[in-house]
Amino acid sequence: EPEVTQTPSHQVTQMGQEVILRCVPISNHLYFYWYRQILGQKVEFLVSFYNNEISEKSEIFDDQFSVERPDGSNFTLKIRSTKLEDSAMYFCASNQGGLSTDTQYFGPGTRLTVL
Amino acid sequence: GENVEQHPSTLSVQEGDSAVIKCTYSDSASNYFPWYKQELGKRPQLIIDIRSNVGEKKDQRIAVTLNKTAKHFSLHITETQPEDSAVYFCAAKDTGRRALTFGSGTRLQVQP
Repeated sequence: EPEVTQTPSHQVTQMGQEVILRCVPISNHLYFYWYRQILGQKVEFLVSFYNNEISEKSEIFDDQFSVERPDGSNFTLKIRSTKLEDSAMYFCASNQGGLSTDTQYFGPGTRLTVL
Repeated sequence: GENVEQHPSTLSVQEGDSAVIKCTYSDSASNYFPWYKQELGKRPQLIIDIRSNVGEKKDQRIAVTLNKTAKHFSLHITETQPEDSAVYFCAAKDTGRRALTFGSGTRLQVQP
């Protein structure tokens, strides 16, 4: 069964550095998402992406965040200048879209640690 | 926006007993309610979901019920097994949005 994949599994960075988290959604899916989960807390929506543009974003997704689909398979989340509070697990998800296909499939996550 | 409350935060049951986890939501426009199971260090995995046009859905030992009037939905796990031990998250999605809003999670511990 196809799965969403993410790289790296763990990223350690210094405060103020830029990081890029990578995701490969399921191949026939049209909608892509990023969520984050701070340790011990709930999963929070960041952004959704469809047809090469952001379709929805949360208050968390401010100017330091950006997303891109640089080619036909990858979907990336860039954090421009990382802060300590950006430390979290970042999950990518995808789905086909449409009323009968709301199910979102999650990747294994990237644990981001900002020092 | 949508707000999802989930209870209890932790639940310990004996193997073979039933477990019930409850969620309430605030946005009456929400029409899709999935439940995810997350084992330690792993991805959230969908275990069951329900749409607002049905009141109950069952899949083997797992069932979900939805009360649209009261705006709450529940996960029921019967004949629990140690491998059911995990964190369970409920979520809700508004008709006009793509984002899932998650509850705070329930840590279920099934004692052998």
